Amino acid sequence: AQKVTQAQTEISVVEKEDVTLDCVYETRDTTYYLFWYKQPPSGELVFLIRRNSFDEQNEISGRYSWNFQKSTSSFNFTITASQVVDSAVYFCALQTGYSTLTFGKGTMLLVSP
Amino acid sequence: DTGVSQDPRHKITKRGQNVTFRCDPISEHNRLYWYRQTLGQGPEFLTYFQNEAQLEKSRLLSDRFSAERPKGSFSTLEIQRTEQGDSAMYLCASSLVGVERLAAASYEQYFGPGTRLTVT
Repeated sequence: AQKVTQAQTEISVVEKEDVTLDCVYETRDTTYYLFWYKQPPSGELVFLIRRNSFDEQNEISGRYSWNFQKSTSSFNFTITASQVVDSAVYFCALQTGYSTLTFGKGTMLLVSP
Repeated sequence: DTGVSQDPRHKITKRGQNVTFRCDPISEHNRLYWYRQTLGQGPEFLTYFQNEAQLEKSRLLSDRFSAERPKGSFSTLEIQRTEQGDSAMYLCASSLVGVERLAAASYEQYFGPGTRLTVT
């Protein structure tokens, strides 16, 4: 069975603060993919990143960075210098076998001016 | 617009009525997925197609639900005899798998805007 846990239900920060969203996953498969999606108030899920289980290199894209640690089964997401437009629900997801995604319950990020 | 599209965006229906939703995937994508998302939860998988073949169905997909992708392009999701518990956002996603030359861009699932169903 696969499971994704996002323990933080809601996080509130003030603009320009850094924020880290946690994601812990469970799977028995040795090959798997991890994803982060953003869901703004408009409702559409926006793909942010995909990592495979064999690539533990951290990744940075602008103000976004991701830390993948197989030893702790975690795939955390950090937003540096947060902005109001970052306010959204963020979902971590797990995929095995190139098929379906198992999502966490999401973390709502509120960035205030 | 070349993304995933869904129609309608909103549907209000009375309990017991049948509803049908449509999803048009990104044109070259061979896989199409349906998910359901209730308030405060992450999307939950319902079913997916590769081309016209329905390859997997979740146990969430009761007998009242049926999905088709007749020509391997658009898909429809029908709910018969709707119940209040069916109220949710129904999300469609598509991806491209098994095409080695596009490996760098394959497999990610791109989502449509969803159809919000309210059963009264």
